[in-house]
Amino acid sequence: QQQVKQSPQSLIVQKGGIPIINCAYENTAFDYFPWYQQFPGKGPALLIAIRPDVSEKKEGRFTISFNKSAKQFSLHIMDSQPGDSATYFCAASNSGGSNYKLTFGKGTLLTVNP
Amino acid sequence: KAGVTQTPRYLIKTRGQQVTLSCSPISGHRSVSWYQQTPGQGLQFLFEYFSETQRNKGNFPGRFSGRQFSNSRSEMNVSTLELGDSALYLCASSSGQGGYGYTFGSGTRLTVV
Repeated sequence: QQQVKQSPQSLIVQKGGIPIINCAYENTAFDYFPWYQQFPGKGPALLIAIRPDVSEKKEGRFTISFNKSAKQFSLHIMDSQPGDSATYFCAASNSGGSNYKLTFGKGTLLTVNP
Repeated sequence: KAGVTQTPRYLIKTRGQQVTLSCSPISGHRSVSWYQQTPGQGLQFLFEYFSETQRNKGNFPGRFSGRQFSNSRSEMNVSTLELGDSALYLCASSSGQGGYGYTFGSGTRLTVV
């Protein structure tokens, strides 16, 4: 059972474009939604995270939009650069619960062309 | 501040063998989690340890096991290796609140031949 569905699987944009990656979750107990960025040969690195009490969070060129009623959240990358080319994972957890784990989406391979 | 250190970085094993992977968390982090990453299944949760106690285990066969030591370092073991165990094994450390503030290591790439 895939509890976090991520789309698209891959995405190609031109430099300066705004790629958008979407995720949907099923478990209403989730209350912490991070995004991770992974470069080849490296582990995932935390990019930005949101909790459901806010609808949007910005950190630099990265923005999370969160829709609690639809159980969806998305990552926008403003003014994308070739250096942003990586695989992006959304994730979710019940931070106050007792299962102590992140549930990840399947990932989106982003390519930013110069 | 040193990051999460995983050793070895690469391993090649033969079917039927066993393997032990090691993870040293960030200093002060008492929670260590392990994930298996494959192209087909993505990141799958293996188990989580906090202060030497396993608090949660993912849906993997009993051939996959782990432990945590008093200094928070952790090891995972896979016995009777199968071809399908070939994957990147990632360790993440945190302060212990579920999923919050994970820092991942660079992983151990295991190839089973």
